[in-house]
Amino acid sequence: GAGVSQSPSNKVTEKGKDVELRCDPISGHTALYWYRQSLGQGLEFLIYFQGNSAPDKSGLPSDRFSAERTGGSVSTLTIQRTQQEDSAVYLCASSLQGMAGNQPQHFGDGTRLSIL
Amino acid sequence: AQTVTQSQPEMSVQEAETVTLSCTYDTSENNYYLFWYKQPPSRQMILVIRQEAYKQQNATENRFSVNFQKAAKSFSLKISDSQLGDTAMYFCAFMKRANDMRFGAGTRLTVKP
Repeated sequence: GAGVSQSPSNKVTEKGKDVELRCDPISGHTALYWYRQSLGQGLEFLIYFQGNSAPDKSGLPSDRFSAERTGGSVSTLTIQRTQQEDSAVYLCASSLQGMAGNQPQHFGDGTRLSIL
Repeated sequence: AQTVTQSQPEMSVQEAETVTLSCTYDTSENNYYLFWYKQPPSRQMILVIRQEAYKQQNATENRFSVNFQKAAKSFSLKISDSQLGDTAMYFCAFMKRANDMRFGAGTRLTVKP
């Protein structure tokens, strides 16, 4: 069946530009997560959506980062005025339901963002 | 705060041999979940195995098994009969709540023919 889909697969942009990354979760999954993975590092939590509840934005590194989830499905992560330190792989994951913590997260292939 | 430590940045193993990857974590919680994820060069994170802290029995999934020592806060992954396709980064992860999943820095495993 279809897994978590992310686009674009790779994105190269100039410093100062805005970028939008897209995540299409597995159908029926109510929880959606964004992570950032810098080169050679583990995953850093960014933001979490659960159903129609207000998202947990506690992991966003600065106010240049924002995310939306429309209709409880597709999500976009937006980075404004990109900086070179934003270069990383951005991973999206979804799960059946989040609050109980017992559902594994299914990951997409990620978007590799490179800021020149 | 919960932290996850993987003390082995890189490991290698001969094909068909057994290898154990270490993971320790720090928490004051009693109920939580632990995971091992595999990340091949394709970048996709693949769930290998998971363990609920309230279960004493170690989880197993085919060639993959864990040694969960709750008192010691240790969660090692054993891969038996290693295959070339097991070559990947392996991440240990701790989760108390869905919006609080912490990952270790990873162990790069190379299976040699």
